[in-house]
Amino acid sequence: AQKITQTQPGMFVQEKEAVTLDCTYDTSDQSYGLFWYKQPSSGEMIFLIYQGSYDEQNATEGRYSLNFQKARKSANLVISASQLGDSAMYFCAMRELYNTDKLIFGTGTRLQVFP
Amino acid sequence: DAGVTQSPTHLIKTRGQHVTLRCSPISGHKSVSWYQQVLGQGPQFIFQYYEKEERGRGNFPDRFSARQFPNYSSELNVNALLLGDSALYLCASSLGGVAKNIQYFGAGTRLSVL
Repeated sequence: AQKITQTQPGMFVQEKEAVTLDCTYDTSDQSYGLFWYKQPSSGEMIFLIYQGSYDEQNATEGRYSLNFQKARKSANLVISASQLGDSAMYFCAMRELYNTDKLIFGTGTRLQVFP
Repeated sequence: DAGVTQSPTHLIKTRGQHVTLRCSPISGHKSVSWYQQVLGQGPQFIFQYYEKEERGRGNFPDRFSARQFPNYSSELNVNALLLGDSALYLCASSLGGVAKNIQYFGAGTRLSVL
């Protein structure tokens, strides 16, 4: 069965510093996608970045990059130059690419950015 | 362009009642999925509808049902509410039918069952 593990319940980072949020996954599928979402206190899940299992390059979207290590089954999110507005819950998720839209989520990491 | 919209934003019900949650997808999106997020956990998949047909169902009891309309909007119905149904219900829409399928979420409906 597919599973996402996020081992950091909470992380602190100073403004303008970089931070890495950990995510490991378990699947027997060869074709899958990995996603990161941000959830502010308002509740909306905001899509940040996507990495396909066959993508050779690590995904980047502005200040977000995904450190994809397929052999280790890890998909860590790196946020560069943290901003106060980055304070939120961050969820890693996985989906089989040729199946339903069903996303499997981890338990999340609460990131707090301080001045 | 409007994002995914959900209504109502908040809802209070008592045990045994029935509730209907509504979702309007992003224009052009044909797939709608529903998730339940209990406090302190990640969202759990409930249903996916694509082109008005059920494409996936999570591990939820038959009290949960959903449908998609010709304009691709969707309703989630929950019968015989239990205290444990209290959660944030998130709707997500996507183009559907493509491998790299990004789901975009609404702000959710926060349901409290008393």
